Amino acid sequence: EVQLVESGGGLVQPGRSLRLSCTASGFTFGDYAMSWVRQAPGKGLEWVGFIRSKAYGGTTEYAASVKGRFTISRDDSKSIAYLQMNSLKTEDTAVYYCTRSDYGDYGWFDYWGQGTLVTVSS
Amino acid sequence: DIQMTQSPSSLSASVGDRVTITCRASQGISNYLAWYQQKPGKVPKLLIYAASTLQSGVPSRFSGSGSGTDFTLTISSLQPEDVATYYCQKYNSAPITFGPGTKVDIK
Repeated sequence: EVQLVESGGGLVQPGRSLRLSCTASGFTFGDYAMSWVRQAPGKGLEWVGFIRSKAYGGTTEYAASVKGRFTISRDDSKSIAYLQMNSLKTEDTAVYYCTRSDYGDYGWFDYWGQGTLVTVSS
Repeated sequence: DIQMTQSPSSLSASVGDRVTITCRASQGISNYLAWYQQKPGKVPKLLIYAASTLQSGVPSRFSGSGSGTDFTLTISSLQPEDVATYYCQKYNSAPITFGPGTKVDIK
């Protein structure tokens, strides 16, 4: 059974950093691209960024709203994807979901984690 | 960047009604479109990918169509458990973009 479990959320002050983890199981993690999607309270879904599988270069893409502040990485040996969030802003407050793309590159999101809440507030 | 729009933003229909949601891309995206269902307080769930392919386990009353810029999600017979917000998503290139969502409830 495919499972994605996010961790690392919490309350953080503006300007500080936080790292989220997404621990995967039930599939060959290294074969798939992984994305992060967020949802601010009462709002819609916003794609944050993704990391390709090593077969597709392991490169990353980001939404304009987080580019230069957020970094996605992966450790295929541990089946974990990370979202490093720096210079956090109040508008980054959201539930952050880890998702699996059905390919090593762009694709639809066939599995989602339960999400982890990040609250940016002083 | 390609923008995704959805209409209507919300709708109310009776059980058994046929419901249609439209998604439009500002530029052609071939069939690189997915639909997701998010029930209140729950995680989004993939319904349809490649514009018209039903994800395994999704009831057959859901269907998708379209290509290029105009896409449709249809629920052939609305059920109480279909109360949710529905999002379209284009995924062919960055930035991956979701539509603003269509909230469906029961009249």
